[in-house]
Amino acid sequence: AQKVTQAQTEISVVEKEDVTLDCVYETRDTTYYLFWYKQPPSGELVFLIRRNSFDEQNEISGRYSWNFQKSTSSFNFTITASQVVDSAVYFCALSEGFTGNQFYFGTGTSLTVIP
Amino acid sequence: DAGVTQSPTHLIKTRGQQVTLRCSPISGHKSVSWYQQVLGQGPQFIFQYYEKEERGRGNFPDRFSARQFPNYSSELNVNALLLGDSALYLCASSWAGGTYEQYFGPGTRLTVT
Repeated sequence: AQKVTQAQTEISVVEKEDVTLDCVYETRDTTYYLFWYKQPPSGELVFLIRRNSFDEQNEISGRYSWNFQKSTSSFNFTITASQVVDSAVYFCALSEGFTGNQFYFGTGTSLTVIP
Repeated sequence: DAGVTQSPTHLIKTRGQQVTLRCSPISGHKSVSWYQQVLGQGPQFIFQYYEKEERGRGNFPDRFSARQFPNYSSELNVNALLLGDSALYLCASSWAGGTYEQYFGPGTRLTVT
């Protein structure tokens, strides 16, 4: 079974629209960490956010926001007023356990922002 | 400050050969992880090293091995290459392991013919 599921394979939005990328995870650990990474066409993965399992507060960083809900095992990512530069593949990832020595990435969501 | 560096950038090998990939972490980072990324898929975790010790291993065959040196740089070795080993190999460094954010290098593109 997939530890991290990103059901949306590809999404296209028109510039300035809001878009939400879904992430559902599966773990039996009570301590775990969730991450989002961006992989632009240039190829290098860029860290966006890290969230531990004990902190369910939503976070906002500029146009980016994250909604963490343990009840539904989801960690969704919303981009507000999307821009062409947001076009990339976005990966959700899970690190299990106190030492985080197992790491799982989802299959990614490819976002295209159309000007 | 320099980011994570990997060498070589590209590599072409023949089935059955052996390959060594190298990674230098960000200065001050003590943990290095290796991932395999096949085109169109997410990175698959191979190894995590912290303070020169293996801390985690993904579901990869024993043909894959790695080590971390006293200066925290790392090597990934793959023996008896198969066509299916063709992929982008990513190295990531973090301050102290998988609970912290990881910073990725540009990767090594391995092609096995």
